[in-house]
Amino acid sequence: AQSVTQLDSQVPVFEEAPVELRCNYSSSVSVYLFWYVQYPNQGLQLLLKYLSGSTLVKGINGFEAEFNKSQTSFHLRKPSVHISDTAEYFCAVSRSGSARQLTFGSGTQLTVLP
Amino acid sequence: KAGVTQTPRYLIKTRGQQVTLSCSPISGHRSVSWYQQTPGQGLQFLFEYFSETQRNKGNFPGRFSGRQFSNSRSEMNVSTLELGDSALYLCASRVTQNDEQFFGPGTRLTVL
Repeated sequence: AQSVTQLDSQVPVFEEAPVELRCNYSSSVSVYLFWYVQYPNQGLQLLLKYLSGSTLVKGINGFEAEFNKSQTSFHLRKPSVHISDTAEYFCAVSRSGSARQLTFGSGTQLTVLP
Repeated sequence: KAGVTQTPRYLIKTRGQQVTLSCSPISGHRSVSWYQQTPGQGLQFLFEYFSETQRNKGNFPGRFSGRQFSNSRSEMNVSTLELGDSALYLCASRVTQNDEQFFGPGTRLTVL
């Protein structure tokens, strides 16, 4: 079984500042990793995913994440945030070879302050 | 291409009642998964259907059930509703079980 820990439940940051949302996972098998964003009253939108290959993954809206196998981490970063990035962010994992069942972290509420 | 649609968007029921939620996947997608999202438990996997067959099931009681039709549309049913069933129920679809999932906007169920 897999599990995901998002270390920060809330992250406030000023507009145009950089941000890092932390995610650690636990698994006895190889995994796929994902970051999703959820805006109020909406479903989940995929930001980026790591399946294999380069450990630095670039996603939509200027976000990127780095897969670190030794530290079992997949932290999400953005060099300069905007007010519109205010949302809840979820890290998720599934076993590799199949993206069937996603196991989600508890979420991080990112609030961008003017 | 239209996204995943879920109906209704909001629903209010009372304890003991049953409810049916509907999900229409993206055209061409044959896999549909359901998730429950609550403030306390977060996002939890309910079940997945592919080609009208349940392929995976999460750790939920038998009161939670689902089905998928030949056109890939899916319904989930919750019987004998409890207060703790109040949640946002999300549906996600994909072409096959090995592809990226696309989520719908969810159905907000409130049990009084």
